[in-house]
Amino acid sequence: DQQVKQNSPSLSVQEGRISILNCDYTNSMFDYFLWYKKYPAEGPTFLISISSIKDKNEDGRFTVFLNKSAKHLSLHIVPSQPGDSAVYFCASSFRDDKIIFGKGTRLHILP
Amino acid sequence: GAGVSQSPSNKVTEKGKDVELRCDPISGHTALYWYRQRLGQGLEFLIYFQGNSAPDKSGLPSDRFSAERTGESVSTLTIQRTQQEDSAVYLCASRTGQAETQYFGPGTRLLVL
Repeated sequence: DQQVKQNSPSLSVQEGRISILNCDYTNSMFDYFLWYKKYPAEGPTFLISISSIKDKNEDGRFTVFLNKSAKHLSLHIVPSQPGDSAVYFCASSFRDDKIIFGKGTRLHILP
Repeated sequence: GAGVSQSPSNKVTEKGKDVELRCDPISGHTALYWYRQRLGQGLEFLIYFQGNSAPDKSGLPSDRFSAERTGESVSTLTIQRTQQEDSAVYLCASRTGQAETQYFGPGTRLLVL
């Protein structure tokens, strides 16, 4: 049973445009949400996070939106740059419990 | 550097052999995680150590898999009688007890022939 779902395995976006990556979760107990970015042959690196008490968190070009009623979060990257091409993992956790990852979305930034 | 390190970086083994993978977490990080990523798949949780608590082994796929952690330092993941489906990148991550951000190592690429 997948508790964190990323339904788009891949996404292609023109350079300079907005990239929107989506994630759905099933466990209403989750109270912390994270996005990780992974390049080939490297471990994932933390990108941005959001607590369940917020609905938006912004860090430079990256913004995460949380809709608790829909159990949905999204990552917006604007403007998209070539270096943003990577696999993006959504992850969720409850307090100090284990962090559950989605299967990832591969983002291609087109020149 | 002071990041999470893993060894070996690559391991090729024959089916049926045992392998041991090592993870050195960031000093002071009380929580340590092992994940597996098969080709074309997402991150699959395996096991989680938090301080002196009993580890959460709910993600281990079979009894051929086991892991140990010495205090709040190094951890080893052991796979006995390896099978071809064990081929994957095995990732280790650590974090502090209070923060939620995990820091990942570069992974060990395991190939079982």
